[in-house]
Amino acid sequence: EVQLVESGGGLVQPGGSLRLSCAASGFAFRDYDMHWVRRPTGKGLEWVSSIGPAGDTYYPGSVKGRFTISRENAKNSFYLQMNSLRAGDTAVYYCAREGKGDYNDAFDIWGQGTMVTISS
Amino acid sequence: SYEMTQPLSVSVALGQTARITCGGNNIGSKDVHWYQQKPGQAPVLVIYRNNNRPSGIPERFSGSNSGNTATLTISRAQAGDEADYYCQVWDSSTQVFGGGTKLTVL
Repeated sequence: EVQLVESGGGLVQPGGSLRLSCAASGFAFRDYDMHWVRRPTGKGLEWVSSIGPAGDTYYPGSVKGRFTISRENAKNSFYLQMNSLRAGDTAVYYCAREGKGDYNDAFDIWGQGTMVTISS
Repeated sequence: SYEMTQPLSVSVALGQTARITCGGNNIGSKDVHWYQQKPGQAPVLVIYRNNNRPSGIPERFSGSNSGNTATLTISRAQAGDEADYYCQVWDSSTQVFGGGTKLTVL
């Protein structure tokens, strides 16, 4: 079964750090672009970062310089290191797979989400 | 950066047709994907590349994209279709979501 499972969410004080993990199974992980997407409470979906098979990374301006995405193909896993966290980063964080071929640029597989709360 | 506009909410009577729009500058030149998200659940891809349904998605879901507007159409709306719906495109090495539309089935 194709599956993504997030872990690492929790409560952190403003200015703190947190590392999220996403474990993949059921597909050739090393061949896919992988993403993090978040949904702040009461708001819509927001793309957070992506990493290609070769390790190329991309971020929106809202997290660039604070968040770092990485991957470990040998462990079928990728990560999101979040630093200098702010209240506005409070959200459910999802990991997602970008499809290939006809599904290129679409997120065809999603994890169940992990909650990150930034509060003092 | 590219922006897309969705109505905050759309209501549809049970069994009727709902249309959710996604507006953007020349969006017709891009591939638009649509997601359904129910409370407490992860998003689900319901339309990819403008008008294609993944396996397992009912034929009642369809999409179109032309000019400055992409549209998700849900025919014969059911109570189980109540959810938030998001459009998404790729633009300049970034992924962009519309603001989302809450669909209510009356």
